[in-house]
Amino acid sequence: DAGITQSPRYKITETGRQVTLMCHQTWSHSYMFWYRQDLGHGLRLIYYSAAADITDKGEVPDGYVVSRSKTENFPLTLESATRSQTSVYFCASSHDRIYGQYFGPGTRLTVT
Amino acid sequence: GENVEQHPSTLSVQEGDSAVIKCTYSDSASNYFPWYKQELGKRPQLIIDIRSNVGEKKDQRIAVTLNKTAKHFSLHITETQPEDSAVYFCAASTQDMRFGAGTRLTVKP
Repeated sequence: DAGITQSPRYKITETGRQVTLMCHQTWSHSYMFWYRQDLGHGLRLIYYSAAADITDKGEVPDGYVVSRSKTENFPLTLESATRSQTSVYFCASSHDRIYGQYFGPGTRLTVT
Repeated sequence: GENVEQHPSTLSVQEGDSAVIKCTYSDSASNYFPWYKQELGKRPQLIIDIRSNVGEKKDQRIAVTLNKTAKHFSLHITETQPEDSAVYFCAASTQDMRFGAGTRLTVKP
């Protein structure tokens, strides 16, 4: 499980601020994903990446930006944070788009 | 897109009893069905999965069954133990993974 890490683990920010959540994996997985977890909604896909420089939208992409310049890193940026983006964010990675996704420890983000 | 419904939302059982969690999905093209366990404050962890060419899969006390005709699949935990207490998520996938809302399982000693 140490193969995928996230930072920071906890973050409090103000409405309108830009914030970046980091994700790093050491398994050389091709695919990386960002999910948000909210009570009653399970996990919802924000963005995913199939390889370096290839990203695509998921179910709830609005208000988020991603990049993937290196295979091992997949940062998620909230360009102008809103209270509705208060959530727990999980990064995941896998060899395949569908099978066997492995999750990072999560980042709890609070937007005040 | 795919829609996954999971029931019940909470489940309480006595230690040693069995627990069953059910999920239904909407997209008949879905072909991969994983189950994740999430302990309080921890990451979701894959515990078992099943692919659409298989009807049932077992791993020790855990089993998953799939009925593609009815578009539902279930997680069965036998001889439950207190450490099985967690939130369990089902998911269904064609291109993207869609998760159920989760079931909070409590195993009472």
